[in-house]
Amino acid sequence: NAGVTQTPKFQVLKTGQSMTLQCAQDMNHEYMSWYRQDPGMGLRLIHYSVGAGITDQGEVPNGYNVSRSTTEDFPLRLLSAAPSQTSVYFCASRTSGGAGTQYFGPGTRLTVL
Amino acid sequence: DAKTTQPNSMESNEEEPVHLPCNHSTISGTDYIHWYRQLPSQGPEYVIHGLTSNVNNRMASLAIAEDRKSSTLILHRATLRDAAVYYCILRDGGGSNYKLTFGKGTLLTVNP
Repeated sequence: NAGVTQTPKFQVLKTGQSMTLQCAQDMNHEYMSWYRQDPGMGLRLIHYSVGAGITDQGEVPNGYNVSRSTTEDFPLRLLSAAPSQTSVYFCASRTSGGAGTQYFGPGTRLTVL
Repeated sequence: DAKTTQPNSMESNEEEPVHLPCNHSTISGTDYIHWYRQLPSQGPEYVIHGLTSNVNNRMASLAIAEDRKSSTLILHRATLRDAAVYYCILRDGGGSNYKLTFGKGTLLTVNP
């Protein structure tokens, strides 16, 4: 199993550009989520999905869109990048249930100029 | 939402035990207590979880107070590779669609 994979590892954007951060998992997990982590801070939940075709907002959803057309993939779209979106983005997946272990990807470091 | 309180930082010496505390006084009866850690420049990784009883695995032990209002993550012999931010997290939400809400965690420094 590759676990949770994310691409790209690094990205630099100009203000106003759009892009998609890719996330995939091969563990057949129903639940997937996106977090962002700013320097010296904990992780904040952006969006999450409890299964294909179902998504919901987390703590900081503004400026981001998600979709979940398959169990494996959960891309995160930045519609019009802003410097405030400079951060490290982590994708995660887990099984359902109270004891589900969450697996994280290696992260995408995004800089918006 | 049930919240947790952890010290901002702790220090330990290599090969000594480390006890990382977590307070969660508003925990509900069905909330699991999860611990994750984040090594430098990596994504968080699962350490251990528990509900009521103490738990052991190859990485650590979790001691849960009888009233479940606090817990302690125990690293039996700290190594330099254990230097990380440790997050104590309660399940946030009911059923299977819960969210894991990460706070700032405890930064553990391990001295050689």
